[in-house]
Amino acid sequence: KAGVTQTPRYLIKTRGQQVTLSCSPISGHRSVSWYQQTPGQGLQFLFEYFSETQRNKGNFPGRFSGRQFSNSRSEMNVSTLELGDSALYLCASSLAGSYQETQYFGPGTRLLVL
Amino acid sequence: GNSVTQMEGPVTLSEEAFLTINCTYTATGYPSLFWYVQYPGEGLQLLLKATKADDKGSNKGFEATYRKETTSFHLEKGSVQVSDSAVYFCALSDSYSGAGSYQLTFGKGTKLSVIP
Repeated sequence: KAGVTQTPRYLIKTRGQQVTLSCSPISGHRSVSWYQQTPGQGLQFLFEYFSETQRNKGNFPGRFSGRQFSNSRSEMNVSTLELGDSALYLCASSLAGSYQETQYFGPGTRLLVL
Repeated sequence: GNSVTQMEGPVTLSEEAFLTINCTYTATGYPSLFWYVQYPGEGLQLLLKATKADDKGSNKGFEATYRKETTSFHLEKGSVQVSDSAVYFCALSDSYSGAGSYQLTFGKGTKLSVIP
């Protein structure tokens, strides 16, 4: 079974631009979560989607948004990029997002904002 | 709120040495506990997990026991190899979530380097 895939793997943007990242979960998984990883803040939860609905959101500004499609694929968007948005963005999927389930992570998208 | 505290390292060990990475947690409900590993340039891989008190998770020679009385989930391996060099993250997912879904709360990560 194919794992979680994320595209693109690397991105370079300038301040003020916007960016869209894509995540394809493991087949059959309906829950998709997004995390931001930085050296200073570590791994922080952004949001989680299940059946096209955002169920939970972390403490990030409104510039960070996402959506999920009917095939469970998800995208996240960051508008008006800031230097501090440079990070590794990780997507994870699980069957239903239960607290006992394993979340399976993709390789991440590394975003550099100049 | 929930939190995970783990020794940040870096930790440098010789091959075949014993490894312990301490992890303690604070949670509102009844959490599931995880250890993930991250190799350079890659995402996170599940190493092991435990979903209730006294459960022991194990994989590839690594073990961790869910200790509710000490709110701990320490990672151990009896004999490390060079290939174990990576960053290890302790994480929890809480049974209590007012929003109805369960996010992972991570520790800061511990970088392990194993030298021949």
